[in-house]
Amino acid sequence: DGGITQSPKYLFRKEGQNVTLSCEQNLNHDAMYWYRQDPGQGLRLIYYSQIVNDFQKGDIAEGYSVSREKKESFPLTVTSAQKNPTAFYLCASSISSGNQETQYFGPGTRLLVL
Amino acid sequence: RKEVEQDPGPFNVPEGATVAFNCTYSNSASQSFFWYRQDCRKEPKLLMSVYSSGNEDGRFTAQLNRASQYISLLIRDSKLSDSATYLCVVRPPGGGNKLTFGTGTQLKVEL
Repeated sequence: DGGITQSPKYLFRKEGQNVTLSCEQNLNHDAMYWYRQDPGQGLRLIYYSQIVNDFQKGDIAEGYSVSREKKESFPLTVTSAQKNPTAFYLCASSISSGNQETQYFGPGTRLLVL
Repeated sequence: RKEVEQDPGPFNVPEGATVAFNCTYSNSASQSFFWYRQDCRKEPKLLMSVYSSGNEDGRFTAQLNRASQYISLLIRDSKLSDSATYLCVVRPPGGGNKLTFGTGTQLKVEL
C-alpha cells in the first residue's frame, strides 16, 4: 500500500539526548515536511524539503535538524538544544512544492521528555 | 492577530443536526484554502479544498468570502462519525507549498 510511515509511534527521551524520528513515503512525492503540534496550537512547520539533497527551515527550526539523502526518507533529529521537545510530530508529503499540491500526513510520533 | 483563527468549540450537536464553522484569515493575499479533519490522537486528513465559488461534497459544503476574509464549513445531517476536530488551513502568498493551520474546531455529535 502507498503511504507515509512514521516510527516509532511513541518515543521517550531523557533530557540532554538527541533523538531521530523516522519518516518514509512510497508515494514518489518530491516534497516532504515536518510539523509539530502542541495542545491548543495549530501545526507549526519545522523543516521542509522540496527535492532530494535540499531542505529549508520552517517557522520553528531551532533545536532541530533534518537530512534528505533519499527521495523516500526525511528523518528529523530533535537535539538537546530544543528546550521544549514534548509534542506530537507529524511528517507530510506532497507531489511537488507547487501551489496547488495537497499535503498528506503520516500517523505521527509522540515524543515525551522524561 | 493570528494568521488563521477558529473557534475551538466544542460544538455539541445532536445527530442529524446541521452545524457550521467559520474561520478567519489575516492575509488578504492568501491563495488557497482547505478544511482538514483530525480525529483524536491521529493525523490530519484532507476533507476538502475550498473554491472561490463554493463547493459541495455530499453533506459537506465549503464557502470562501474573500471580502471578509473568512471560510466556512457546513455539515448537514451530522453523523456520530463526524465527531472530530476540523482544521482550517490557508496557503499564504509567497510561493511554495507552505501551509498555515488553525488550531481547530472540535465537533461532538451526540445521540
